[in-house]
Amino acid sequence: KNQVEQSPQSLIILEGKNCTLQCNYTVSPFSNLRWYKQDTGRGPVSLTIMTFSENTKSNGRYTATLDADTKQSSLHITASQLSDSASYICVVSASGGSYIPTFGRGTSLIVHP
Amino acid sequence: NAGVTQTPKFQVLKTGQSMTLQCAQDMNHEYMSWYRQDPGMGLRLIHYSVGAGITDQGEVPNGYNVSRSTTEDFPLRLLSAAPSQTSVYFCASRPGTRGYEQYFGPGTRLTVT
Repeated sequence: KNQVEQSPQSLIILEGKNCTLQCNYTVSPFSNLRWYKQDTGRGPVSLTIMTFSENTKSNGRYTATLDADTKQSSLHITASQLSDSASYICVVSASGGSYIPTFGRGTSLIVHP
Repeated sequence: NAGVTQTPKFQVLKTGQSMTLQCAQDMNHEYMSWYRQDPGMGLRLIHYSVGAGITDQGEVPNGYNVSRSTTEDFPLRLLSAAPSQTSVYFCASRPGTRGYEQYFGPGTRLTVT
């Protein structure tokens, strides 16, 4: 069964600090991996999309890495801001006929001043 | 562009009632989908459409119907609401089926009593 596991479940950091969120998956055959940011009460917003051949992709202060061999991804947030407080969701899609993505449960990040 | 819009934002139904959640996008995207988000769980795909006139079931389709008569609109119908359908519903769209950035609507919070 395809699964996406995210860790930690929640994280509290001080403003200005860096943090790294983890995503492990068992989805096969792999097509792409996405990271979303979801603010409370809003829909998810795409941060990055990575395919099999991409190891790193950045979007401002957000940098995602992908190791397709170990089936792991990380999202690194640099110099955190209060506005980074949100849930971060990892989503993995398989190639082939299925269009059903597998969502992780998300990591809840709280940035304190 | 308004992006992806959803109505209503909030809805309370009694068990057995039916209703339609509306979703529209003005980006001329071919692919549209409906998800539900429950506490402690990842988003789950209900139904999706790869173009006007084409729909298919996702991971949790039971109790829901969809149709896609135009590129812009993708309504979700609850046939006979049940308390288990209490959830937050998100509509999403993207230009193609794989590898494209996906845009989510603001969500509809549905409570079934």
